[in-house]
Amino acid sequence: GAVVSQHPSRVICKSGTSVKIECRSLDFQATTMFWYRQFPKQSLMLMATSNEGSKATYEQGVEKDKFLINHASLTLSTLTVTSAHPEDSSFYICSATTGGNEQFFGPGTRLTVL
Amino acid sequence: QKEVEQDPGPLSVPEGAIVSLNCTYSNSAFQYFMWYRQYSRKGPELLMYTYSSGNKEDGRFTAQVDKSSKYISLFIRDSQPSDSATYLCAMSAMSTNAGKAPFGDGTTLTVKP
Repeated sequence: GAVVSQHPSRVICKSGTSVKIECRSLDFQATTMFWYRQFPKQSLMLMATSNEGSKATYEQGVEKDKFLINHASLTLSTLTVTSAHPEDSSFYICSATTGGNEQFFGPGTRLTVL
Repeated sequence: QKEVEQDPGPLSVPEGAIVSLNCTYSNSAFQYFMWYRQYSRKGPELLMYTYSSGNKEDGRFTAQVDKSSKYISLFIRDSQPSDSATYLCAMSAMSTNAGKAPFGDGTTLTVKP
């Protein structure tokens, strides 16, 4: 089946530092990748849509200068949380799709900003 | 009002019970309906994907869609402790709308041995 990996699975950083999270589709080429964040006991909130070779499309209320997305290839997208603050602590999940409604999710990255 | 409403639970059942998980929605344009299972501290995994009204069965899981009532259900037969997870519904109006499909808040299920 379609496998999506994320790295790292967990990161703890100091306030003010930047953190990069990688999302890879391991056995398929993804036309589009999505980035979500999920707070405890809440559902997934779409942050941005990422297409290879083009600028990401951000959802309303998501700061594009704070959450930098780079989609380098059909199998890799990265999310960089710049100047992270404690309120950015969350579970970040990526997903990939080949164009239909089905999404294949990564295992998530738990970010804790001290 | 949210586009998709889902009872957050928590829901606790004994092993072997039949579980019914439900979502309601407001957008009559939705035609594609997904159920995801999310274990604690993991990403969601797609369980069932259905189109339009009707039932779809896959092993112990049955997805049911009633578009006239804007109501979808996921039934789990002979529930197992390994079914303990959060179940999320999602739905879409288009066949190529992944990512934009709104999710329910999820129902947390615990199956006790």
